[in-house]
Amino acid sequence: AQTVTQSQPEMSVQEAETVTLSCTYDTSENNYYLFWYKQPPSRQMILVIRQEAYKQQNATENRFSVNFQKAAKSFSLKISDSQLGDTAMYFCAFMTLYALNFGKGTSLLVTP
Amino acid sequence: DAGVIQSPRHEVTEMGQEVTLRCKPISGHNSLFWYRQTMMRGLELLIYFNNNVPIDDSGMPEDRFSAKMPNASFSTLKIQPSEPRDSAVYFCASSLRGDYGYTFGSGTRLTVV
Repeated sequence: AQTVTQSQPEMSVQEAETVTLSCTYDTSENNYYLFWYKQPPSRQMILVIRQEAYKQQNATENRFSVNFQKAAKSFSLKISDSQLGDTAMYFCAFMTLYALNFGKGTSLLVTP
Repeated sequence: DAGVIQSPRHEVTEMGQEVTLRCKPISGHNSLFWYRQTMMRGLELLIYFNNNVPIDDSGMPEDRFSAKMPNASFSTLKIQPSEPRDSAVYFCASSLRGDYGYTFGSGTRLTVV
């Protein structure tokens, strides 16, 4: 079974600063997809960024970028120029076939 | 595009009652998923439909849980009888290409007292 581990239950960052959220996963598959989802207090699950395992280039979406280390099975999320609206739970997720397997999440608080 | 629509947003019911949660996926999406979110267990996949057919229901916790998808635009998750430990947020999600991720509804917060 594939497992996803987020080792940081809570993190805090000041507005405009940069923060990195960690994620590791375990799989024997070679072809898979990785995602970061954001869940603000509104409860909505929002897709932040996606990475294909066969692509070496790290994905980037505006202020969000990932550091994908396939050999180390690591998939961290970097948020640059943090904004108050980035306050949320962040979930790392792993997909093979059809099912998304989620980590337990990291609660990020952005402070003024 | 209205997104994935779930109803109700909140549901409070008494133990032993039947509860039905509803989901309308995004038009054109051929896959639908039901997830349950709790503090203890995080996000768990309950059941997956492809083209209205249940493909994997191994995550359904007990026979008290059942899910249907009578057509491409509607799905239900039913709990009968409900128990306090069923209290959770239940999400429906849909996708056309799963490798591009899912689109989630806003969830139903179920409280069983």
